[in-house]
Amino acid sequence: ETGVTQSPTHLIKTRGQQVTLRCSSQSGHNTVSWYQQALGQGPQFIFQYYREEENGRGNFPPRFSGLQFPNYSSELNVNALELDDSALYLCASRLGAQEQQYFGPGTRLTVT
Amino acid sequence: GENVEQHPSTLSVQEGDSAVIKCTYSDSASNYFPWYKQELGKRPQLIIDIRSNVGEKKDQRIAVTLNKTAKHFSLHITETQPEDSAVYFCAATPANQAGTALIFGKGTTLSVSS
Repeated sequence: ETGVTQSPTHLIKTRGQQVTLRCSSQSGHNTVSWYQQALGQGPQFIFQYYREEENGRGNFPPRFSGLQFPNYSSELNVNALELDDSALYLCASRLGAQEQQYFGPGTRLTVT
Repeated sequence: GENVEQHPSTLSVQEGDSAVIKCTYSDSASNYFPWYKQELGKRPQLIIDIRSNVGEKKDQRIAVTLNKTAKHFSLHITETQPEDSAVYFCAATPANQAGTALIFGKGTTLSVSS
């Protein structure tokens, strides 16, 4: 295993609601990235945090936001949920700009 | 930005055969190319990676080749086994740059029948 954990495992929300997903990075890893993986697709980069600041973002609207905490945990918040937000959300941690990223098991979000 | 194309989308082989998955990338700044294996309902797991200063890398039955000029890289699995059945993703990134992330291909579903 990678030492990266995520919670919850599964989540069902209604369109228009807000959701917070959590990730606990491997100890010492100060960079965390979040990815959205729709069914049958590759993971798509949402954003990245380094030392508690966002330093990279993919093609996702502002209703996707995040936080990173000093204890290597992080959150992904999604407001005004849409049906298309249904996906597996993965976080990946690494040390600084080190190449290898370690993925968590993901949170399966279903929006109805 | 970077764009990664992956082929084929599905691949069926007999146990013991070889399997080859190919990817192309668009950004010449990309210099790190990992391959991930994802079993149903599980996290992507890194199986092998290659950096742009290396043309080929091998780890037991798995090898990756990189052609920087043509901007393509390939995964080779020899002596396939049923447990190799999974979805395989290639990815590319201009590593060692702040704010960069992995850009993934759409995946190849490999089925190995015994």
